[in-house]
Amino acid sequence: TQLLEQSPQFLSIQEGENLTVYCNSSSVFSSLQWYRQEPGEGPVLLVTVVTGGEVKKLKRLTFQFGDARKDSSLHITAAQPGDTGLYLCAYNNAGNMLTFGGGTRLMVKP
Amino acid sequence: ETGVTQTPRHLVMGMTNKKSLKCEQHLGHNAMYWYKQSAKKPLELMFVYSLEERVENNSVPSRFSPECPNSSHLFLHLHTLQPEDSALYLCASSQDLATGTPNEKLFFGSGTQLSVL
Repeated sequence: TQLLEQSPQFLSIQEGENLTVYCNSSSVFSSLQWYRQEPGEGPVLLVTVVTGGEVKKLKRLTFQFGDARKDSSLHITAAQPGDTGLYLCAYNNAGNMLTFGGGTRLMVKP
Repeated sequence: ETGVTQTPRHLVMGMTNKKSLKCEQHLGHNAMYWYKQSAKKPLELMFVYSLEERVENNSVPSRFSPECPNSSHLFLHLHTLQPEDSALYLCASSQDLATGTPNEKLFFGSGTQLSVL
């Protein structure tokens, strides 16, 4: 069974700070997805990374897929309270059976 | 309404009760899923339906019984639950079951927060 480890588990920062969260595995993935889950809601897909070394940007969020396609990172620049939530990485088995990591719970204080 | 709608949003039940969770998707998707989200565990896939047929049952106890009467509706029937079954139950849908296509996307509902007393 492939295992996704996310770190840190919890992160509390002030508005305006930068942060990076990680999603690691010993297995190679064809692709990884990042989701954000806001309090009281279901996860929402942010991005899918496919190619080793790929970098994707979504406004202040920068996603990177490791060269060996075993890990991924999410960097947030100038965090805002609206970024608060649970950030989940997931890989997609055949048949769209998503397997999730444990998540990083981010709180951005005003 | 658009997207994936789950009802109720919150449910408190005793261990001897029988209740049902409902999920409806308005996206014209062919695949629907139940996930369980506990406080101390990653999201766990419970059941998968494709074109109203169950294609995955992830070793879920029989006290959870899914039903998919059509491609837009999914139910989770609950009976004689245990306190450790307290969790957020999330429904999701996707256009089709993918064959590992990286850009397939799951759309989640807001979940039902279940407390078993």
